[in-house]
Amino acid sequence: DTAVSQTPKYLVTQMGNDKSIKCEQNLGHDTMYWYKQDSKKFLKIMFSYNNKELIINETVPNRFSPKSPDKAHLNLHINSLELGDSAVYFCASSPSTIEKYFGPGTRLTVL
Amino acid sequence: AQKVTQAQTEISVVEKEDVTLDCVYETRDTTYYLFWYKQPPSGELVFLIRRNSFDEQNEISGRYSWNFQKSTSSFNFTITASQVVDSAVYFCALSEANDYKLSFGAGTTVTVRA
Repeated sequence: DTAVSQTPKYLVTQMGNDKSIKCEQNLGHDTMYWYKQDSKKFLKIMFSYNNKELIINETVPNRFSPKSPDKAHLNLHINSLELGDSAVYFCASSPSTIEKYFGPGTRLTVL
Repeated sequence: AQKVTQAQTEISVVEKEDVTLDCVYETRDTTYYLFWYKQPPSGELVFLIRRNSFDEQNEISGRYSWNFQKSTSSFNFTITASQVVDSAVYFCALSEANDYKLSFGAGTTVTVRA
């Protein structure tokens, strides 16, 4: 019954590795997002997809690539992980520009 | 460009005290939406309230109340008779009409001591 789910919840990996975080929503929303919360708790949007089309792409390193296979899924792939990528990543979905429904977050730790 | 400022980084109170969290925003849009979210130690983001720019009515929900003043571009949040379970990081956020972005303030960490 979870509206927006993310896997995994925790991810610990070594520098230089490639990893993916998956997000799924069962709300029937057209738009999905990835937000990053850094160590100082600051939340910032990274990407947004609307009907599988990229509509927001903030200043994010090319090592980060979102992939939306369908409206219900938005995955985040990160290449060549760096220490500074350690953060909590939140997926969200929305039926419009107004409401956002957030997932539980994925805590990524890069060693 | 939209901007949200939460000047208070941390607030510490003793249980049963009232605590007010300040939020000041900047936007050029006449239609926008303001939000408060709570992030407890468990880490999830909990939606508390949404306010539309055309509705300045203040709102009360249990021990929570919100004061929206367009004249000062502020959307302040008060917890009355605080409890230990209110300990969390609270975020104010702004979304402009026809913009999918939700811009967050830096957050205020509230610690309620027993």
